[in-house]
Amino acid sequence: DAKTTQPNSMESNEEEPVHLPCNHSTISGTDYIHWYRQLPSQGPEYVIHGLTSNVNNRMASLAIAEDRKSSTLILHRATLRDAAVYYCILKTRRSGNTGKLIFGQGTTLQVKP
Amino acid sequence: GAGVSQTPSNKVTEKGKYVELRCDPISGHTALYWYRQSLGQGPEFLIYFQGTGAADDSGLPNDRFFAVRPEGSVSTLKIQRTERGDSAVYLCASSLLSYGSGRGDEQFFGPGTRLTVL
Repeated sequence: DAKTTQPNSMESNEEEPVHLPCNHSTISGTDYIHWYRQLPSQGPEYVIHGLTSNVNNRMASLAIAEDRKSSTLILHRATLRDAAVYYCILKTRRSGNTGKLIFGQGTTLQVKP
Repeated sequence: GAGVSQTPSNKVTEKGKYVELRCDPISGHTALYWYRQSLGQGPEFLIYFQGTGAADDSGLPNDRFFAVRPEGSVSTLKIQRTERGDSAVYLCASSLLSYGSGRGDEQFFGPGTRLTVL
């Protein structure tokens, strides 16, 4: 499975936008980019995913570089509830894939009031 | 609707004892995953079920760990002769599909079972 690299930690102020970067220089053409986050004392939760085009949903936006070697998760207005560990994960769509998620260390986002 | 539930939420046991951890996935989800998360680390894959069968158990650390899903719904993770190193949060997740175009294969996680081996 291709590897991702994220900063260990980031800080943001409440109600400001947050850009969480992820590098995945060895991504293959069949890899989707998934983001999950884990709030304190909870299991991870799905945030968003994409393949080539930028994606938006009610939680966040995902901006994918043209060469797909990096991506950025964008929280448009951070709230205190967004303080969590954010994981960027590559997941292949090849037939027979078990779908297991390979988590790295993630980025711990701190949101200051 | 109901999410993934796991019981117990906390389990304290003594070294050498046997423990069972239960996972109730979302109804209709055929894919079920177990992960283990040590303090300060990301979750680590243990085993994947598609229906009743274990399709990938490559993450189980050794033969003391075993999991079943006899009717394709509830799953039980079983740990024999527990060791202090088994202390961790054990997470269960389910999804409609295991893979695909990215639709329907997002995983829904339970709150986890915190296992402490004294």
